[in-house]
Amino acid sequence: EAGVAQSPRYKIIEKRQSVAFWCNPISGHATLYWYQQILGQGPKLLIQFQNNGVVDDSQLPKDRFSAERLKGVDSTLKIQPAKLEDSAVYLCASSLLRDWNTGELFFGEGSRLTVL
Amino acid sequence: AQKVTQAQTEISVVEKEDVTLDCVYETRDTTYYLFWYKQPPSGELVFLIRRNSFDEQNEISGRYSWNFQKSTSSFNFTITASQVVDSAVYFCASSRESNYQLIWGAGTKLIIKP
Repeated sequence: EAGVAQSPRYKIIEKRQSVAFWCNPISGHATLYWYQQILGQGPKLLIQFQNNGVVDDSQLPKDRFSAERLKGVDSTLKIQPAKLEDSAVYLCASSLLRDWNTGELFFGEGSRLTVL
Repeated sequence: AQKVTQAQTEISVVEKEDVTLDCVYETRDTTYYLFWYKQPPSGELVFLIRRNSFDEQNEISGRYSWNFQKSTSSFNFTITASQVVDSAVYFCASSRESNYQLIWGAGTKLIIKP
């Protein structure tokens, strides 16, 4: 079974530029998450989708971050314009359901963003 | 509000030693869930275990074991006879029954020296 795919793995941009990250979840996983992980910290949830609807985006900085999940499969996370403090690894995860009988999230390898 | 504390920032041991990673959680909920994830150098977080608040039985899986104690609000993780491949950052997390969001600790970096 293929895992969660993310691209690009690495991105370096100047502040005020824009960047987009792509995620392809495990086939059949209805729930998709984007997390931000700053070096030395645990992941912070940015947005959670159930199919193509947003379940929670309370911690997404909506003035510069946006995310979409068209057709309930792939997802794109965009940052525009980027700030220095956006330097982090952006992790995508997926799960079968919001039902926590298993509670297991499957993560991709992440996209490392460096803002100069 | 829920909170997870992993006081050990980094632990370094020699291969074959046993090592315990500490996790202390705070919650006012009666029903909650606790998790451990492993993050190897490749970056992806790997699910290790999930525990319900009403199940205090300890869990053993090969060289891994988990000790859940509600009396001390702890959910510690022990690796027996550690191996170099165990080197990673380990995260403890919790979630509430009401919204299922994971609350993560800061992680413990485990270094196993050959």
